[in-house]
Amino acid sequence: AQTVTQSQPEMSVQEAETVTLSCTYDTSENNYYLFWYKQPPSRQMILVIRQEAYKQQNATENRFSVNFQKAAKSFSLKISDSQLGDTAMYFCALLVSGTYKYIFGTGTRLKVLA
Amino acid sequence: KAGVTQTPRYLIKTRGQQVTLSCSPISGHRSVSWYQQTPGQGLQFLFEYFSETQRNKGNFPGRFSGRQFSNSRSEMNVSTLELGDSALYLCASSGDRVGTEAFFGQGTRLTVV
Repeated sequence: AQTVTQSQPEMSVQEAETVTLSCTYDTSENNYYLFWYKQPPSRQMILVIRQEAYKQQNATENRFSVNFQKAAKSFSLKISDSQLGDTAMYFCALLVSGTYKYIFGTGTRLKVLA
Repeated sequence: KAGVTQTPRYLIKTRGQQVTLSCSPISGHRSVSWYQQTPGQGLQFLFEYFSETQRNKGNFPGRFSGRQFSNSRSEMNVSTLELGDSALYLCASSGDRVGTEAFFGQGTRLTVV
């Protein structure tokens, strides 16, 4: 069975600072994908960043980057230069190839403070 | 390109009733998934459809069912509603490429009283 664990229920960060959200996962499969999704108060889930497990290079998207440690099964999200609009719930998700279902963590509520 | 559309946005039902939720995927997407989101359980996978066939199903009772039409639109049905079914129901659609991202709708907030 696959699992995703987010151990930080809530976090806060000052505007313009950097924050890292943790995620660990468990799967015995080799072919999988990892995602970070953001759910603002408007509740629509939006993709933040995507990582293919077979790629060693960490994915980056503007201010968002990941630290993917495959052996440790860790997939943390770093947000640089935090903005008020980054305030949201952040979900880490695992998709094992061929299963067609995303396994989500319980989320981290991030609040960016002015 | 229009996003994933879910209707209705809000529903209030009484215990014992049944409900049908609708989801229109992004044009060209053939995969549609459904998730139940609650504060205590997070996002739980219900089922996934591709070209009218259910490819995967989560651990929910048989009261939860779904279907997909030839135009890829999907519906989920919950019969004999229970108070615990109160949740945000999210629909997501994906392209055919393996490992592609899921695009989510805004969800249907179901309240069972």
